[in-house]
Amino acid sequence: DAKTTQPPSMDCAEGRAANLPCNHSTISGNEYVYWYRQIHSQGPQYIIHGLKNNETNEMASLIITEDRKSSTLILPHATLRDTAVYYCIVRVAYNAGNMLTFGGGTRLMVKP
Amino acid sequence: GAVVSQHPSRVICKSGTSVKIECRSLDFQATTMFWYRQFPKQSLMLMATSNEGSKATYEQGVEKDKFLINHASLTLSTLTVTSAHPEDSSFYICSAAGGGTGELFFGEGSRLTVL
Repeated sequence: DAKTTQPPSMDCAEGRAANLPCNHSTISGNEYVYWYRQIHSQGPQYIIHGLKNNETNEMASLIITEDRKSSTLILPHATLRDTAVYYCIVRVAYNAGNMLTFGGGTRLMVKP
Repeated sequence: GAVVSQHPSRVICKSGTSVKIECRSLDFQATTMFWYRQFPKQSLMLMATSNEGSKATYEQGVEKDKFLINHASLTLSTLTVTSAHPEDSSFYICSAAGGGTGELFFGEGSRLTVL
């Protein structure tokens, strides 16, 4: 699986949009971009994933550049409960046998 | 989404004893489950891949005789830390693919403290 690069930490004001970048310049054509987050002392929580089109769900939006070498996770109105470590992972298409390889992630701190 | 449950969520044991952690897929069948370990302020590290009805596949550096994995049914995998020592104290997390999409869902984690 391709390696990803994320900033180690970011701050965001409560109520503002949080934009978390991820570089994955060696991504292959059949690899998806996944985002998970981990709140302190809990298991990771799935947020969103995409292949090449931008995606949106009730939690966040995922913007993938046209060359697919980078992406941005957007939390439109960050709350204090969004404070967590956010992991950007690239992984081949849906396959029950494929694990997720976690990098360092970005520690997002949402401040009042 | 699909639900994966771990038990116990916290366990404290004495050095030299064995501890079993259960991982259950509650509303789907999982032929494959993954066990991760996470030390404080570090990322998740894959320990092993558990396949129903067959032997687990361990990552390099993970002792298979110390971390026994059993995946006897499509809804249950267990991780047994044998002869636990303080350095085995960690957060253990399981993951399973389910929902018919191969998407991975994670358990709540089990925090092991070895005294």
